[in-house]
Amino acid sequence: GAGVSQSPRYKVAKRGQDVALRCDPISGHVSLFWYQQALGQGPEFLTYFQNEAQLDKSGLPSDRFFAERPEGSVSTLKIQRTQQEDSAVYLCASSYGVLGEQFFGPGTRLTVL
Amino acid sequence: ELKVEQNPLFLSMQEGKNYTIYCNYSTTSDRLYWYRQDPGKSLESLFVLLSNGAVKQEGRLMASLDTKARLSTLHITAAVHDLSATYFCAVDITTSGTYKYIFGTGTRLKVLA
Repeated sequence: GAGVSQSPRYKVAKRGQDVALRCDPISGHVSLFWYQQALGQGPEFLTYFQNEAQLDKSGLPSDRFFAERPEGSVSTLKIQRTQQEDSAVYLCASSYGVLGEQFFGPGTRLTVL
Repeated sequence: ELKVEQNPLFLSMQEGKNYTIYCNYSTTSDRLYWYRQDPGKSLESLFVLLSNGAVKQEGRLMASLDTKARLSTLHITAAVHDLSATYFCAVDITTSGTYKYIFGTGTRLKVLA
């Protein structure tokens, strides 16, 4: 079946613009994670959804970051008033259960000028 | 502070040689994952280790977990060029009341022909 998809794959934003990043998880997967990966670093946890419930948002770096998954499938990560330090690859991952192996999407590379 | 550290960070090795990558973590966890990332690509799941003493093997790669020592190893046997990639370990700390997975710093492996 189809894997995790993300759109757009690349996004260039001017500082101060708002952006929205989309994630389509594998159908039927309960868990959805968002990560931020800076160049040369490992992914850093941002937030976790179990179905439509956002159970952990402790990794969101500021209140400019907001995520939602209103119907328990597609998720959107929104960044308001983007700053240069927001430039990174944003990865989405899903898993069948609460715990276990995660399947990653291709990522969205965000560049803030 | 929760830490997942990998050693070495960079590894250049000849084809046909053996080597081990180490993943040390600073918190209690019974679950550890290994992922592979090729340049510009997303993460691909390699191994899921779910208990102390777990050992998994796939091709030239073998992973093990010692939860008492808080250590996992990824052993490479008779390396080939196709194994060149960055390898990440990730620790599942969801039993601590969060839903985080903490990724290591990554080991960039280059296998020379």
